[in-house]
Amino acid sequence: ILNVEQSPQSLHVQEGDSTNFTCSFPSSNFYALHWYRWETAKSPEALFVMTLNGDEKKKGRISATLNTKEGYSYLYIKGSQPEDSATYLCAFGTSYGKLTFGQGTILTVHP
Amino acid sequence: NAGVTQTPKFQVLKTGQSMTLQCAQDMNHNSMYWYRQDPGMGLRLIYYSASEGTTDKGEVPNGYNVSRLNKREFSLRLESAAPSQTSVYFCASSDVGVNEQFFGPGTRLTVL
Repeated sequence: ILNVEQSPQSLHVQEGDSTNFTCSFPSSNFYALHWYRWETAKSPEALFVMTLNGDEKKKGRISATLNTKEGYSYLYIKGSQPEDSATYLCAFGTSYGKLTFGQGTILTVHP
Repeated sequence: NAGVTQTPKFQVLKTGQSMTLQCAQDMNHNSMYWYRQDPGMGLRLIYYSASEGTTDKGEVPNGYNVSRLNKREFSLRLESAAPSQTSVYFCASSDVGVNEQFFGPGTRLTVL
């Protein structure tokens, strides 16, 4: 069983703060790293799928980086807003689409 | 497009009862998945189907069976429900290879 770990487990920030969290995964046999955003009472939605060492992806105020050699990815949120409050999940992907998820980081942005 | 749909949304079962959770997708995806989500455990893969006609076990398959009825539909069956199967169940689909998964709205199952 693959070990995908996310830290911190939860995070409280003030509106306007920038924040980041970490996903650690096995560095051997890397294929893909996914980030999902999961709002309460909704379904997870994909933010990024990253495949190459050094990849950087950006969507609005959210960005992610990938280091496959050392087995970690960072997700950054610039100028957090209350609507960014959600659980952020990372998942280690295989060539046939199977994902192993981390436990998630719960972000709460206070107005 | 409806995306990924799941039925039912909620279900309460007694220990030992059986039921089937239904999942359908209209995105012409080859791969479909069933996950369960428990507090503090994240999403865990129960079974997946890489393509029509194939199914494989995931991380937590015990107590479940699946059927890939056709390309659109992938059902999850609990033959004899147990309280440990109380959970929220999500179905997802994706294209082959490195592609994001699209999730259904979930089924909240309680086994008494």
